[in-house]
Amino acid sequence: EPEVTQTPSHQVTQMGQEVILRCVPISNHLYFYWYRQILGQKVEFLVSFYNNEISEKSEIFDDQFSVERPDGSNFTLKIRSTKLEDSAMYFCASRAEGTQYFGPGTRLLVL
Amino acid sequence: DQQVKQNSPSLSVQEGRISILNCDYTNSMFDYFLWYKKYPAEGPTFLISISSIKDKNEDGRFTVFLNKSAKHLSLHIVPSQPGDSAVYFCAATDMEYGNKLVFGAGTILRVKS
Repeated sequence: EPEVTQTPSHQVTQMGQEVILRCVPISNHLYFYWYRQILGQKVEFLVSFYNNEISEKSEIFDDQFSVERPDGSNFTLKIRSTKLEDSAMYFCASRAEGTQYFGPGTRLLVL
Repeated sequence: DQQVKQNSPSLSVQEGRISILNCDYTNSMFDYFLWYKKYPAEGPTFLISISSIKDKNEDGRFTVFLNKSAKHLSLHIVPSQPGDSAVYFCAATDMEYGNKLVFGAGTILRVKS
């Protein structure tokens, strides 16, 4: 069964450093998403991406964040200068019809 | 952001009995609702969904009921199994606009054997 994959599973970085989180969505899906879950909080929407452009972004998704689909398979989330409060689980999701399917997540820890 | 609420943080059920997880929403623009199951340190796994044009959708042991007038949905698991023990998230979206999912806080289900 096709699934969304994410790398790395864990990332530890120093405050102020850049990180790139990678996702391979399900191959025939056209809509891509990033969500995050801070420990003890809800899963929250960051950004959606369709037809090579951002279709919607949340207030969290400020100028420090960017997304890219550099080739036909990868979908990346870049955080330019990480802050302590960026520590969270980051989930990628993709969909073809109504249902979004999630990857296993990347646990990001900013020290 | 309290658009989707799961008021029960946890639920404990005996194996073989019914588990009922509840979810309320406030945004009348939501027209598609999903339930996800999540284990610690894993991503949400899709379970079942329902469109606002229906009031019930069934898939094996899982049934979702939607009451649009009450802005309430519930997930029934019958019979409950120990492997169902996990966190269950309700999520809602407006399919016409954006399709971002808005999640509830989750309910921890524990099925005792």
